[in-house]
Amino acid sequence: QQQVKQSPQSLIVQKGGISIINCAYENTAFDYFPWYQQFPGKGPALLIAIRPDVSEKKEGRFTISFNKSAKQFSLHIMDSQPGDSATYFCAASSGTGGGADGLTFGKGTHLIIQP
Amino acid sequence: NAGVTQTPKFQVLKTGQSMTLQCAQDMNHNSMYWYRQDPGMGLRLIYYSASEGTTDKGEVPNGYNVSRLNKREFSLRLESAAPSQTSVYFCASSPSLSGLAQYFGPGTRLTVL
Repeated sequence: QQQVKQSPQSLIVQKGGISIINCAYENTAFDYFPWYQQFPGKGPALLIAIRPDVSEKKEGRFTISFNKSAKQFSLHIMDSQPGDSATYFCAASSGTGGGADGLTFGKGTHLIIQP
Repeated sequence: NAGVTQTPKFQVLKTGQSMTLQCAQDMNHNSMYWYRQDPGMGLRLIYYSASEGTTDKGEVPNGYNVSRLNKREFSLRLESAAPSQTSVYFCASSPSLSGLAQYFGPGTRLTVL
């Protein structure tokens, strides 16, 4: 059972455009939703994260929108740049689950920003 | 401050061979994790250690064992490697017991022939 569904698998956006990646989750115990960015040959790096008590969080050009009732959250990259080309993973964690039981990841979105 | 380091970076094994992947962190984090990454599958948790002296199974533990040697080091062992274990392995650490804000190492690319 896939607990975090991510779409699209791949995305091509023109430079300066808005990149949008969506995730949906099933487990209502999840209470922490991070996004990770991964460049080829590197480990994932935490980009931005949100908790369900807010509907939006913005850090620079990156924004997470969160819809608790729909159990969905999305990453928006404004003014997308070629340097943003990477694979993006959404994830979720039930941090109150009684232990450090790790993150549940989506399958990833390969983002290409065309110059 | 090197963060999370992993050795080796690359490894080729024959079916049935054993090996240990090493991971160390210098951030004084309590929790450590091992994930595997396969194309189109995202990252899947193999084992984790909430604190020194404790380990627990994740989503895909079969064929692996782990040791939390001390607060800094968390190793992953393949006792009898199989081609299905061909993957990229990532170690991660987190400052909190709730597993938030995980920091990943650069990965070990393992091929089992």
